[in-house]
Order: sequence, then C-alpha cells, then structure tokens
Amino acid sequence: EVQLVQSGAEVKKPGESLKISCKGSGYRFTNNWIGWVRQMPGKGLEWMGIIYPGDSDTRYSPSFQGQVTISADKSTSTAYLQWSSLKASDTAMYYCARQPMVRGVMDYWGQGTLVTVSS
Amino acid sequence: EIVLTQSPGTLSLSPGERATLSCRASQSVSSSYLGWYQQKPGQAPRLLIYGASSRATGIPDRFSGSGSGTDFTLTISRLEPEDFAVYYCQQYGSSPPYTFGQGTKLEIK
Repeated sequence: EVQLVQSGAEVKKPGESLKISCKGSGYRFTNNWIGWVRQMPGKGLEWMGIIYPGDSDTRYSPSFQGQVTISADKSTSTAYLQWSSLKASDTAMYYCARQPMVRGVMDYWGQGTLVTVSS
Repeated sequence: EIVLTQSPGTLSLSPGERATLSCRASQSVSSSYLGWYQQKPGQAPRLLIYGASSRATGIPDRFSGSGSGTDFTLTISRLEPEDFAVYYCQQYGSSPPYTFGQGTKLEIK
C-alpha cells in the first residue's frame, strides 16, 4: 500500500527556520517524483515544486523559487520542504504527494502538515 | 504559466442530480494532461481523473471527465451525499508550474 506520512504540525516565529518531512512507503521511492502543494487558510491549492529522489532533480514554481528548498534523502525514503526565514504569510497547510512522472498527476497524498507562523 | 479558471465558483444541487463542473485553460493543454481532484473539509485532496478522462483507481463510474485543448469538464452523473466537496482541476501538460484551478465548491441545495 502506497503511503506518504508527513511530520506533525509546527508553530514558529517569523524569522525562524523550519524543515518538514514526508516519508514514502509501499512503492519504489527513488523512481517517482514527490511534489509539494500549499493551501493557505480557506484558499485553494498551489503547486510549489517537485523532486526526483533518484537523482535529486528539482523543479520549482517561479512563485516559490528562492523562497523554499525541496530536498530528498533516498536512504530514508523521505522528502523535505524547508524555509530559512519564515514569514507570517507562510502560514498554511502543506501537502506532499507522489507524482509518478515529471508530467503527471499527484496520485497519492500525505495527510498534510500545518505550519503556523506567528509572533 | 497556464492559468486555469473553474466555473461555477459554487454549485448548489440535490442528491441524485447531475453535476457539471467546468475548467478552462488560458492556453491549450497538451496531450490532455488535465486532472481532477476532490477535497473534503479537513482532508487531503484525492485524485479522481487523469489524462482528462481516465478514472483513478477506486473512483466510482458516476465520475467522468471529458474535454481537450482549453475546455474540460467533470461530470458527476448522480450525486451521492459523499460527493459534496470542493473540486480542483490541474494541468500538467507544459513545463512546471503544474497549476491548479481555483476550485468549485459543490454544496447541498
């Protein structure tokens, strides 16, 4: 059974750093892309970027390029999304999802990680 | 970047009725690389349709997708109580970003 399990909710202050995780199981982690999607409170879905854990090839949306870093550790089948300096506007639910091909739908999703940034 | 516009923003229908949701792209979506997702409150999105018209694993056949080019449609033939949710389309036919539409909320009338 394909599963993506994300790390727990986070409460941070503006300016702090953060790294959230997404652990895949039940499939070959290195042969599928993993994507990240943001959902701000009460809003729609925003595609942030994807990574291919096999070789760490990463593609970003221009809206998120330079704002976040996507990485993966194939030894632990875990993908990461990180911020070096959080802003209040980063408050959102973040989902990871498997994307079997670089041009593909997101067929399995994690449960989401709620990130709250507040002073 | 391809912009997807979904209509209507909100659709009010009763169980048993037919729902038709629209997704229009700002430019042609190559090879019908268009998907549809369902999201219920407090849950992650769930893939319904890929390749504009192929149902994902386990999706009931009352859900169907159609369209090509810039105009796509998700149809739910007979609404069940569990179908009331928000629906998003997504294109993945060009270079990233693989944009989503803004969503259509399907609510009980």
